[in-house]
Amino acid sequence: QSVLTQPPSVSGAPGQRVTISCTGSSSNIGAGYDVHWYQQLPGTAPKLLIYGNSNRPSGVPDRFSGSKSGTSASLAITGLQAEDEADYYCQSYDSSLSGSLVFGGGTKLTVL
Amino acid sequence: QVQLQESGPGLVKPSQTLSLTCTVSGGSISSGSYYWSWIRQPAGKGLEWIGRIYTSGSTNYNPSLKSRVTISVDTSKNQFSLKLSSVTAADTAVYYCAREGSSGTNFDYWGQGTLVTVSS
Repeated sequence: QSVLTQPPSVSGAPGQRVTISCTGSSSNIGAGYDVHWYQQLPGTAPKLLIYGNSNRPSGVPDRFSGSKSGTSASLAITGLQAEDEADYYCQSYDSSLSGSLVFGGGTKLTVL
Repeated sequence: QVQLQESGPGLVKPSQTLSLTCTVSGGSISSGSYYWSWIRQPAGKGLEWIGRIYTSGSTNYNPSLKSRVTISVDTSKNQFSLKLSSVTAADTAVYYCAREGSSGTNFDYWGQGTLVTVSS
């Protein structure tokens, strides 16, 4: 059972927009701690996609965007492409777990 | 460009201690204000943060693993290490080392990961 809750799967057709939610609590996202997002392609290490709720590292297309409100955060992907098919994870900090870093359970994005 | 590389035995017997090392290249492990973490992923499952070490040597561990985990740093070798004791089959996973970025608690650099199987 992950501290941060994500839908197991989402899907969309090429060109469409999809969103992935990440729900936390008052000890992590709701406490103001930043949310970060990672993309994991099959057989590879996760790659930082969004940091500090809504910032993109250099090289990440602006089709990817992040937002945060209350105890939840979201990752939005517009103009869906076949190469976006991957697992996506949110991550934050939790003050109730002796200062632990926590991940969501991950969401599998399927491009139809 | 910072690079991280995990190394260690790919097979560990139950009840023994899993030991992995992460070698950092492209920069000194002791320069800057960075945390260095271990993260694992069982096959087909999600990511689990194991713990981290600061350049000063201070550590934080996942409470669910704290009693079995030790993370240490060797600045002379530009390496940090993970020891996980009393392993069981549930500890079989791909183990990643990663750096927490200076802009917050995100992981900006990752190793490629190494599979550790716990089996007799």
